[in-house]
Amino acid sequence: NAGVTQTPKFRVLKTGQSMTLLCAQDMNHEYMYWYRQDPGMGLRLIHYSVGEGTTAKGEVPDGYNVSRLKKQNFLLGLESAAPSQTSVYFCASIVMTPNTEAFFGQGTRLTVV
Amino acid sequence: TQLLEQSPQFLSIQEGENLTVYCNSSSVFSSLQWYRQEPGEGPVLLVTVVTGGEVKKLKRLTFQFGDARKDSSLHITAAQPGDTGLYLCAGARVGGSNYKLTFGKGTLLTVNP
Repeated sequence: NAGVTQTPKFRVLKTGQSMTLLCAQDMNHEYMYWYRQDPGMGLRLIHYSVGEGTTAKGEVPDGYNVSRLKKQNFLLGLESAAPSQTSVYFCASIVMTPNTEAFFGQGTRLTVV
Repeated sequence: TQLLEQSPQFLSIQEGENLTVYCNSSSVFSSLQWYRQEPGEGPVLLVTVVTGGEVKKLKRLTFQFGDARKDSSLHITAAQPGDTGLYLCAGARVGGSNYKLTFGKGTLLTVNP
């Protein structure tokens, strides 16, 4: 039972480089979310998906793109990384009804220099 | 705009003391969850409350959902060092095209032996 797996766990990027973060879940959940966590800011929603082939913007979407081509995978892309995107990124696979529960991956620590 | 306000932001207490953490909002949520996060890990669900006025107990932890479903509290009795961690509340809005799970900034609890 892997649950939610995020890759990579750590990454250092130079300003302007691009990368993709992968989130994979094996629980057959419809809803998948990407958050970033910064000191004193809590978890802020970047983008989310309510099913295969769907995506929607969250609270802080600028500078990020996402794709949900397969139900089990949710990809987060940074086209041109900026130092302001230095953060810990968490993917969550979520059950919304009857009771909401989010299952998180272990996070990706990204540093942009 | 932070929809969920948690207080206090930091709390340092001695083993055996009691404490209460608050989560307040001006918005109504379908349900509210409490998560605990340890360093280097993703948040893990503690409880979900759904009904206004609902009280749930989990060993030494007591969770309450406000009558108007806008606020919640977490009370810990006789805190232990193992309770140390970041406590996050999250509100879910489910309905129509809205499937957002919004987090507060968290309360960092340290229980000293």
